[in-house]
Amino acid sequence: AQSVAQPEDQVNVAEGNPLTVKCTYSVSGNPYLFWYVQYPNRGLQFLLKYITGDNLVKGSYGFEAEFNKSQTSFHLKKPSALVSDSALYFCAVRDDPYGTDKLIFGTGTRLQVFP
Amino acid sequence: DTEVTQTPKHLVMGMTNKKSLKCEQHMGHRAMYWYKQKAKKPPELMFVYSYEKLSINESVPSRFSPECPNSSLLNLHLHALQPEDSALYLCASSREPFSGRARETQYFGPGTRLLVL
Repeated sequence: AQSVAQPEDQVNVAEGNPLTVKCTYSVSGNPYLFWYVQYPNRGLQFLLKYITGDNLVKGSYGFEAEFNKSQTSFHLKKPSALVSDSALYFCAVRDDPYGTDKLIFGTGTRLQVFP
Repeated sequence: DTEVTQTPKHLVMGMTNKKSLKCEQHMGHRAMYWYKQKAKKPPELMFVYSYEKLSINESVPSRFSPECPNSSLLNLHLHALQPEDSALYLCASSREPFSGRARETQYFGPGTRLLVL
């Protein structure tokens, strides 16, 4: 079965500094990986996805993610953090048990950006 | 436009009540999903509809009854819920349900926060 792991419950970073939110995956076959962000009392917003192609994927709000096959990682990055980036971030992998998309989410990482 | 709308935003119900959650999208998406999210936990899939037909039921108790009246609308009927069913219920949709030839993104609505007393 497909799975993703987010090893950090919380990441703290100062505004203006680069941020990284970690995700590792375990899949059979080609990995289809996603990052979503959830603000308090809100639904999930899609940030970016990796399907095939370039290992560096650019997404919304200045976020990007680097797919690393040898390390089975898909870390989310941003060169300069904003206080407004503070939220809960979920990495997800697409499973395909019955020919229909199923997203498996990691446990989430809370990002706190301090002014 | 990648908007999925959900109503109501908040719902409080007793264990003997019957209520419904509504989800709507006008993006022409043919797959729709219900997820349940407990506090500080990731979303967990409940149901998947593909072309208005139920394709996945993740062993959800029968007190949750999904319905897809048309390609734009998804309902979740609730009856005789338990307090442990209190959670954020998220709806999502994607353009194409068959992942073999498509790598579609699921777009989520804002959710309905349900409290069962």
